Amino acid sequence: DVKVTQSSRYLVKRTGEKVFLECVQDMDHENMFWYRQDPGLGLRLIYFSYDVKMKEKGDIPEGYSVSREKKERFSLILESASTNQTSMYLCASRVGTGVAKNIQYFGAGTRLSVL
Amino acid sequence: KNEVEQSPQNLTAQEGEFITINCSYSVGISALHWLQQHPGGGIVSLFMLSSGKKKHGRLIATINIQEKHSSLHITASHPRDSAVYICAVKRKLIFGTGTRLQVFP
Repeated sequence: DVKVTQSSRYLVKRTGEKVFLECVQDMDHENMFWYRQDPGLGLRLIYFSYDVKMKEKGDIPEGYSVSREKKERFSLILESASTNQTSMYLCASRVGTGVAKNIQYFGAGTRLSVL
Repeated sequence: KNEVEQSPQNLTAQEGEFITINCSYSVGISALHWLQQHPGGGIVSLFMLSSGKKKHGRLIATINIQEKHSSLHITASHPRDSAVYICAVKRKLIFGTGTRLQVFP
């Protein structure tokens, strides 16, 4: 059974705090993704990772960094949280590239509020 | 102009109605996904297709590569189908803004 787990469903942080969002998948997937979802803007890709220690910027990487030290875990880091980073954050994983393996599996999401 | 356009943005229906949600895109793609997001945030991947048609239960997805258009059909709609439906294309996934569907009993 496919499982992508995000460490927190709800998180409240203060401006300037360093924030870690954790995502773990148990499917031995190569690729992992972090998105944020905002009303009217849909899903936007922040960062993605093709393999351990490999990462690429998505469409909106500013203000974020990521870490992929182990295959099953992909962390999103807000070095200094700001109020405009209040959002729903979604993690996803997939087996690898190629049309036949292109389905992404999503976690339940972390709703982050930065005060 | 967005690379992926969905229509309509909001849709209301009576239980039992046949529903169609449309997705048009302007980029070259290898595959198109239809996703379903329920209140509370959980996202489920419904279909991934690169040609033709796929069917799962009451859901049917079609794609026309030449016209760069895909449709998601729901037959005999039910209140539990109420969700946001999102189409996404390309390897890095460029998302449409979603279609919010409400089905009333």
